[in-house]
Amino acid sequence: DAGVIQSPRHEVTEMGQEVTLRCKPISGHDYLFWYRQTMMRGLELLIYFNNNVPIDDSGMPEDRFSAKMPNASFSTLKIQPSEPRDSAVYFCASSWNRMTGNTIYFGEGSWLTVV
Amino acid sequence: SQELEQSPQSLIVQEGKNLTINCTSSKTLYGLYWYKQKYGEGLIFLMMLQKGGEEKSHEKITAKLDEKKQQSSLHITASQPSHAGIYLCGADPYGSARQLTFGSGTQLTVLP
Repeated sequence: DAGVIQSPRHEVTEMGQEVTLRCKPISGHDYLFWYRQTMMRGLELLIYFNNNVPIDDSGMPEDRFSAKMPNASFSTLKIQPSEPRDSAVYFCASSWNRMTGNTIYFGEGSWLTVV
Repeated sequence: SQELEQSPQSLIVQEGKNLTINCTSSKTLYGLYWYKQKYGEGLIFLMMLQKGGEEKSHEKITAKLDEKKQQSSLHITASQPSHAGIYLCGADPYGSARQLTFGSGTQLTVLP
């Protein structure tokens, strides 16, 4: 079975440029999460969706960050304009709605470097 | 907000040795997830615990959740180099598994 698929795996961009990260969740999953991992702050939840609707975006650091989920099989995280402090690994994860025992599956991450 | 503290931060063991990683929460854990991460890769789900006193095992890895549901441990028996990586615990703060708060991780090195 295909897991959570993220692209690009690695991206190096110049400060001020727009960055778009993409995610395809596991088929049938109705929850999608975007996390960011840095050495200083560890793994942080940025935003999550349920049935393509954003539920909690309180973790989104600034207005420069935006996320969309136009359909059940695709989501994007956009940074515009990018800054060096945005350099991190961005993970997408998905799960499905069960009463108990939900497992959240992570993608392999998108490594972003802003120079 | 819920905070998770993992200990130790790093661990170096000789192959074949047993080891334990701990995860302590500032609040009651409704659900506790253990993941393993290798450098440059994503998080691999290991186990999830929900009930006080629950214990789960997979191959040589055993995870336990204490009765008060504020502490979990991950025990590896007869460690192998393939066990090396970063182990992360994640807490389900609302009992709904909608989002996780993670500890800072434990870096495990297994020397052959």
